[in-house]
Amino acid sequence: QKEVEQNSGPLSVPEGAIASLNCTYSDRVSQSFFWYRQYSGKSPELIMSIYSNGDKEDGRFTAQLNKASQYVSLLIRDSQPSDSATYLCAGAGYSTLTFGKGTMLLVSP
Amino acid sequence: SQTIHQWPATLVQPVGSPLSLECTVEGTSNPNLYWYRQAAGRGLQLLFYSVGIGQISSEVPQNLSASRPQDRQFILSSKKLLLSDSGFYLCAWSDTVAVYGYTFGSGTRLTVV
Repeated sequence: QKEVEQNSGPLSVPEGAIASLNCTYSDRVSQSFFWYRQYSGKSPELIMSIYSNGDKEDGRFTAQLNKASQYVSLLIRDSQPSDSATYLCAGAGYSTLTFGKGTMLLVSP
Repeated sequence: SQTIHQWPATLVQPVGSPLSLECTVEGTSNPNLYWYRQAAGRGLQLLFYSVGIGQISSEVPQNLSASRPQDRQFILSSKKLLLSDSGFYLCAWSDTVAVYGYTFGSGTRLTVV
């Protein structure tokens, strides 16, 4: 099993909808989790971090962590065309972060 | 506040030529530093990381090397570039235990021709 797995997408949602991005992880990356947003041609930007089971909300973003199921998700409410980007999930391993390959999100006006 | 600088932004180099990419961090001391490569349509691949001056860990065997001559400076080098070295190179930093994740530089787009 790869350490951090994501569906590559694209995930297409209409403007105003909720976008749900998912990520599963192996035992080697089970401490802290991060969501990054990467616009085409740009570097990744940290948007959310989550360290314990449950939900963490920040504006339109909600990160969810379920350690029993080894599952992390990111919900984007009221999706906007400007949210169109690739979203990378990352988990902290023994010494470095391990990144998934990312899910492309397309928000149509 | 902490900032990370990476240059150049774009680079076109012929096969067999040398490479030197530089990254510096301001506003913090003793950061962990990282070099990643992102090939077209692929994920982030960790190339090197460093927890201190002169301490380099290599994650993938290749014709690249890294050095950390100063606390907040990280350099990625190659003596002879290959076509397969093309990609988007990203430098990142974190605190010692990466509690707040990594912060990335703006990246260097390298095209080897």
